[in-house]
Amino acid sequence: EVQLVESGGGLVQPGRSLKLSCVASGFTFSNYGMNWIRQAPGKGLEWVAYISSGSSYIYYAETVKDRFTISRDNAKNTLYLQMTSLRSEDTALFYCARHLTGSDYWGQGVMVTVSS
Amino acid sequence: DIQMTQSPSLLSASVGDRVTINCKASQNINKYLNWYQQNLGEAPKLLIYNINNLQTGIPSRFSGSGSGTDYTLTISSLQPEDFGTYFCFQHNSWPLTFGSGTKLEIK
Repeated sequence: EVQLVESGGGLVQPGRSLKLSCVASGFTFSNYGMNWIRQAPGKGLEWVAYISSGSSYIYYAETVKDRFTISRDNAKNTLYLQMTSLRSEDTALFYCARHLTGSDYWGQGVMVTVSS
Repeated sequence: DIQMTQSPSLLSASVGDRVTINCKASQNINKYLNWYQQNLGEAPKLLIYNINNLQTGIPSRFSGSGSGTDYTLTISSLQPEDFGTYFCFQHNSWPLTFGSGTKLEIK
């Protein structure tokens, strides 16, 4: 069974940093690209970043480019999102999702709240 | 960026009804259009990928159609578990983009 479990969220002050993790199981992690997707409270879905299976291709939404860094460790079956210079508008539930035919499997999400 | 315009934003329907949700892309997205269902407090669930391919385990009352820039999700006979919010999603080009969602509620 495919499972994706996010962690690392919490309350952080504006301008500070936070690193999210997503541990994958139930499939060969190193064979798949992965996405981070977020959802602000009561709002729609926003794609954040993508990384290919071997980390050769990386793409970001303009809203997070130069502030967020996606990475992965295939030996640990783990996806990361390093977030810096956080803003109040980054407050959201962050999902990791496997990139197959778009995004087929999603984790349950981890909440990030940016507030002073 | 490709904009995805989804309609309606709110849809009231009854169990047994046939409903359709529409999504219009600002440019051709070829076949790369997915539909997701999200229930309150849960992660989105993939229903249909690449226009009309039913994800494993999804009931056949769900179907998708369309081409080019215009796409439709149809639920042939609404069941109680179908109420929630639906999103379209294009994965033809970066940045990937979602529609704004359709909340399907009980009439």
